[in-house]
Amino acid sequence: DAGVIQSPRHEVTEMGQEVTLRCKPISGHNSLFWYRQTMMRGLELLIYFNNNVPIDDSGMPEDRFSAKMPNASFSTLKIQPSEPRDSAVYFCASKKGIYSDTDTQYFGPGTRLTVL
Amino acid sequence: GDSVTQMEGPVTLSEEACLTINCTYTATGYPSLFWYVQYPGEGLQLLLKATKADDKGSNKGFEATYRKETTSFHLEKGSVQVSDSAVYFCALSPIQGAQKLVFGQGTRLTINP
Repeated sequence: DAGVIQSPRHEVTEMGQEVTLRCKPISGHNSLFWYRQTMMRGLELLIYFNNNVPIDDSGMPEDRFSAKMPNASFSTLKIQPSEPRDSAVYFCASKKGIYSDTDTQYFGPGTRLTVL
Repeated sequence: GDSVTQMEGPVTLSEEACLTINCTYTATGYPSLFWYVQYPGEGLQLLLKATKADDKGSNKGFEATYRKETTSFHLEKGSVQVSDSAVYFCALSPIQGAQKLVFGQGTRLTINP
């Protein structure tokens, strides 16, 4: 099992540029989560999907952030335009069950984003 | 709302010392509880979990017991190793299919040889 795959692992961009982060969940998993981790705010849930449908995006900080899941094996998180305060590590996680609170979320290695 | 409070770090111990990282929670009903570990430069990995009161989760020498009466899930290990140096996160999964994991702020642990 390859685990959750994220790309790129590192991204350095300039303020105002568009950034797209990518995630491939574990095959057979039905829920996908995007998190952001910073020193100041810790680990924050941005959005999650069940069966490719966005369920809760209340953690998305601003309209500059958008996320899509066009199929069961791929999701993107886009920031347009990017700002220095978006610098963080972004994690994708997936989970098998939709309604089970006991299932484990499996995390990808993260994308470290630096916005100059 | 649901929340998790962890012992503040950083924590520095010598190899073979005993470890306890405190975790308490506030939640409606009886959530599932988790400990995740994050090694440098990596994503979070599940360390152990407990899904009902009095359950004990264990893995790699770490243990945590779900204590409903004290709403706690403290992480313990009898003898730590240098390789245990990492950031540890306590988390809960609310019931009723809410899906979200609510994380504590994380505790950085450093073990010196």
